[in-house]
Amino acid sequence: GAVVSQHPSWVICKSGTSVKIECRSLDFQATTMFWYRQFPKQSLMLMATSNEGSKATYEQGVEKDKFLINHASLTLSTLTVTSAHPEDSSFYICSARGGRQGVMSTDTQYFGPGTRLTVL
Amino acid sequence: RKEVEQDPGPFNVPEGATVAFNCTYSNSASQSFFWYRQDCRKEPKLLMSVYSSGNEDGRFTAQLNRASQYISLLIRDSKLSDSATYLCAVNRVNNAGNMLTFGGGTRLMVKP
Repeated sequence: GAVVSQHPSWVICKSGTSVKIECRSLDFQATTMFWYRQFPKQSLMLMATSNEGSKATYEQGVEKDKFLINHASLTLSTLTVTSAHPEDSSFYICSARGGRQGVMSTDTQYFGPGTRLTVL
Repeated sequence: RKEVEQDPGPFNVPEGATVAFNCTYSNSASQSFFWYRQDCRKEPKLLMSVYSSGNEDGRFTAQLNRASQYISLLIRDSKLSDSATYLCAVNRVNNAGNMLTFGGGTRLMVKP
């Protein structure tokens, strides 16, 4: 149980294009999803938190108009990197939290496999 | 001061050694603590939660010291396959809800 998928697993795009990344919880309902970014040899940095049906809450320094997050259902959240530039190249990882108490911890986050974005 | 701090390492140990990592956190209101393992170019995977009374899972033991605000991870009888980066995570609560803050990770390299 507690499987989270991400698509695509890697993407290479030209500067100025927009890239959409999907995050799905496959066997549980994710009331909350998180989007992280990780640069080489650095830790996970939380970009934003999204609760199903409401607007995402962005961490300080993260541009909400550049990183569009949609959490339209309990199993799907998307992150769109708009007008991507080389400095946006990074490893983007989503995680999901949810489930039923007693069956799985509602406090534990389960991570997707990540999406490696390279902007040329 | 960072919210969650770890010694980045690397810790280079021989197979069979016992190794311990510490992680300090600044928010005394934190209630949930975790250790994750991350392999190179992969996502973090939950290794174990950390309970107040300490907990053990095979060769791995996690402990929490609330007074000094740190958690620890002890790995006994290290295996080559234990080589990875170990991330501690501590919860925090703000207007967006309950979320985790990760430390920078401690890199472990187990050598034959």
